[in-house]
Amino acid sequence: DAMVIQNPRYQVTQFGKPVTLSCSQTLNHNVMYWYQQKSSQAPKLLFHYYDKDFNNEADTPDNFQSRRPNTSFCFLDIRSPGLGDAAMYLCATSRDMRVIDIQYFGAGTRLSVL
Amino acid sequence: QQPVQSPQAVILREGEDAVINCSSSKALYSVHWYRQKHGEAPVFLMILLKGGEQKGHDKISASFNEKKQQSSLYLTASQLSYSGTYFCGTERERDDKIIFGKGTRLHILP
Repeated sequence: DAMVIQNPRYQVTQFGKPVTLSCSQTLNHNVMYWYQQKSSQAPKLLFHYYDKDFNNEADTPDNFQSRRPNTSFCFLDIRSPGLGDAAMYLCATSRDMRVIDIQYFGAGTRLSVL
Repeated sequence: QQPVQSPQAVILREGEDAVINCSSSKALYSVHWYRQKHGEAPVFLMILLKGGEQKGHDKISASFNEKKQQSSLYLTASQLSYSGTYFCGTERERDDKIIFGKGTRLHILP
């Protein structure tokens, strides 16, 4: 049974048209992460939530926002997608950042920008 | 500081062994290994902590040399199911974020 679920699996949007990607988890984990992964590259952390505390990476563009309305759900909003934002977006969870812990990844959403 | 993985890609025949290396120029607290198959989520393999430990399960094991800031992943008697991209992720301190390397693509031929 999938524990970290991302929807949709594939998303096509137009240049400049806002898009929202969603992630849900059944693990009741405190931490949720969003990564951007471009072809043949490492996953790059965009931001994470530790419970309700939002932590943005310094090099994450302002174009990317996130919401976590409750423990189970987290959303990635791209306000004005550019061609360079086409990528796989991975959501991951972990129990707690204060201890060494496994990250559980969703299957990802592949975003195409036309 | 992104860890450096080597080699970038490996092609093996089923039953052969492989070693994937992950090195950092900074002192490390932990090293995480994940495998990602095409179109799927990365899957956790193991975590190694500073102190120079070695871990393994089944035919996949890893070591962490704290002095060299290097970890190696060992795949013995490789199986077709081992194909995929292997990522190492490193933490410089406890509570730190994980920074992933660019990955090593492993392809096992029958």
